[in-house]
Amino acid sequence: AQSVTQPDIHITVSEGASLELRCNYSYGATPYLFWYVQSPGQGLQLLLKYFSGDTLVQGIKGFEAEFKRSQSSFNLRKPSVHWSDAAEYFCAVGGYQKVTFGTGTKLQVIP
Amino acid sequence: GAVVSQHPSRVICKSGTSVKIECRSLDFQATTMFWYRQFPKQSLMLMATSNEGSKATYEQGVEKDKFLINHASLTLSTLTVTSAHPEDSSFYICSAPLGGSRANYGYTFGSGTRLTVV
Repeated sequence: AQSVTQPDIHITVSEGASLELRCNYSYGATPYLFWYVQSPGQGLQLLLKYFSGDTLVQGIKGFEAEFKRSQSSFNLRKPSVHWSDAAEYFCAVGGYQKVTFGTGTKLQVIP
Repeated sequence: GAVVSQHPSRVICKSGTSVKIECRSLDFQATTMFWYRQFPKQSLMLMATSNEGSKATYEQGVEKDKFLINHASLTLSTLTVTSAHPEDSSFYICSAPLGGSRANYGYTFGSGTRLTVV
């Protein structure tokens, strides 16, 4: 069965600081991996995805993620966080059609 | 492009009544749509997969008779919460795959519906 673990429920960073959100997955084959962002009361927006090729994936809003098969990880990074990045971030793994989401990491950005 | 419009964004209903939530793909055809439920401070749980022209596929533990799904056309899927009870209060989100029915292109999501049953 596929599963996703986001070990950090809540993270606080200072504006301008770097950010790394952790994601570990379990999947029986080559996974499709996604990161989504959700603002309060809103739907989800796709930040980036990986399904083959270069293991370092660039996304929107300056985010990137690196797929490490040996560690079953797909961590999300941003070199300099902006106040508008405060939101909840979900990692997801999917195969054909079905996608499983992690429990999310809530990001707080302080001045 | 690839926008899913979900309506209503918020609804309050009395216990025992039914509520219909609509998801429309605005600029693409969605042969498949997914319905998720999100509990406070929790992740999204897939409830069911709706397929245009055929019956929906429900995840284990989801009551088919309570959560009626209809995929009437290539651009419209509806979720009806029947005989709603306070425990059905939640945030419901629909999504459609960006690359046809496959997952590898990711998904586009509706903005969600906050259902409160009083």
